[in-house]
Amino acid sequence: GAVVSQHPSWVICKSGTSVKIECRSLDFQATTMFWYRQFPKQSLMLMATSNEGSKATYEQGVEKDKFLINHASLTLSTLTVTSAHPEDSSFYICSAPLSRQPQFFGPGTRLTVL
Amino acid sequence: EDQVTQSPEALRLQEGESSSLNCSYTVSGLRGLFWYRQDPGKGPEFLFTLYSAGEEKEKERLKATLTKKESFLHITAPKPEDSATYLCAVQAEDSWGKLQFGAGTQVVVTP
Repeated sequence: GAVVSQHPSWVICKSGTSVKIECRSLDFQATTMFWYRQFPKQSLMLMATSNEGSKATYEQGVEKDKFLINHASLTLSTLTVTSAHPEDSSFYICSAPLSRQPQFFGPGTRLTVL
Repeated sequence: EDQVTQSPEALRLQEGESSSLNCSYTVSGLRGLFWYRQDPGKGPEFLFTLYSAGEEKEKERLKATLTKKESFLHITAPKPEDSATYLCAVQAEDSWGKLQFGAGTQVVVTP
């Protein structure tokens, strides 16, 4: 299947700092990518839809000024968690749909905010 | 509002003991129902897509079925390596690409 990568796989940061997470589609182009968040023992919750060349669309309750999304190319979307706080600690996962194919997910990024 | 409910929350099986996981859903027009497997600390791994009631898909010891209201994931003669959390997700016709996930069923298969 198609391959989606994420970087870094884990990150620890201090409260108040910003963290950038990258999501890449390795062998296909993705005009749309999705960002999900997963808290311990919970399922994946969609945060936002990343659209190449245009603004991201955010799900209800997700602060767009806190979770900045940039989809500058057809293979790369970035999620920046600004002024991170301990409650932002979570597992962040991206996915990229391939036309007429199921969504493939990245390996996830574990964010821990101290 | 679209909803996906999975049961049971957790399942402990002996190796070789077959069982089924349930995924009940309500969605305004189903584009597709997906099953994923997720290991701890990893992203979901795609298993199956089902598009219409009556459809069945099979892969090794796993078989997924779909009706108009629910889907089942049957695990036949499971092995310890089948231990994982199994996630069900639906995609509505009017929300291309967006997936609504259930809470998952954590399966543990003991030797």
